[in-house]
Amino acid sequence: DTGVSQDPRHKITKRGQNVTFRCDPISEHNRLYWYRQTLGQGPEFLTYFQNEAQLEKSRLLSDRFSAERPKGSFSTLEIQRTEQGDSAMYLCASSLDSEQYFGPGTRLTVT
Amino acid sequence: GIQVEQSPPDLILQEGANSTLRCNFSDSVNNLQWFHQNPWGQLINLFYIPSGTKQNGRLSATTVATERYSLLYISSSQTTDSGVYFCAVETSGSRLTFGEGTQLTVNP
Repeated sequence: DTGVSQDPRHKITKRGQNVTFRCDPISEHNRLYWYRQTLGQGPEFLTYFQNEAQLEKSRLLSDRFSAERPKGSFSTLEIQRTEQGDSAMYLCASSLDSEQYFGPGTRLTVT
Repeated sequence: GIQVEQSPPDLILQEGANSTLRCNFSDSVNNLQWFHQNPWGQLINLFYIPSGTKQNGRLSATTVATERYSLLYISSSQTTDSGVYFCAVETSGSRLTFGEGTQLTVNP
């Protein structure tokens, strides 16, 4: 198993555009998480799936953000009408029980 | 929500030195993990340690859950140990809450 993968690794977009990120978890893991990390800070929780069900969402996840996990496999995180404040590293993690394993992240820059 | 405090925020060592990083948390936890974030941003799992002591090579960790702290020990540090070390805890609902990290620099 190659671990958690994320695509793309880097994304540069103009303010107002929509972007979508993909996360492929470790194959047997039923739980999937999204986090956001800004410079100099620790990652902050965004949302969590168990199988295909989205069980928890942070207040950080505004109406412009939507996440899906169809069929309980890969997940997508979409940001609509991007703003400069959305510039960050978006991290995906997966777990089978409690221990979470992270992907390499997608670094988003909004110009 | 739960508060996670890490100390020191910055640490500079000479290669071969030992160090101790601390993580204090404000409530009971179900899970505690230590991570090393490399310069490319990848979070590397070091320990899953809600309680007790574990060792992995030059690294070891101890969590005293009743006193709400965890310690990460790095012995005989190497330049490749440089990076940011994060402590993260889970209370319920599976979300991890991270501290602000310790930036470690190991000089040759």
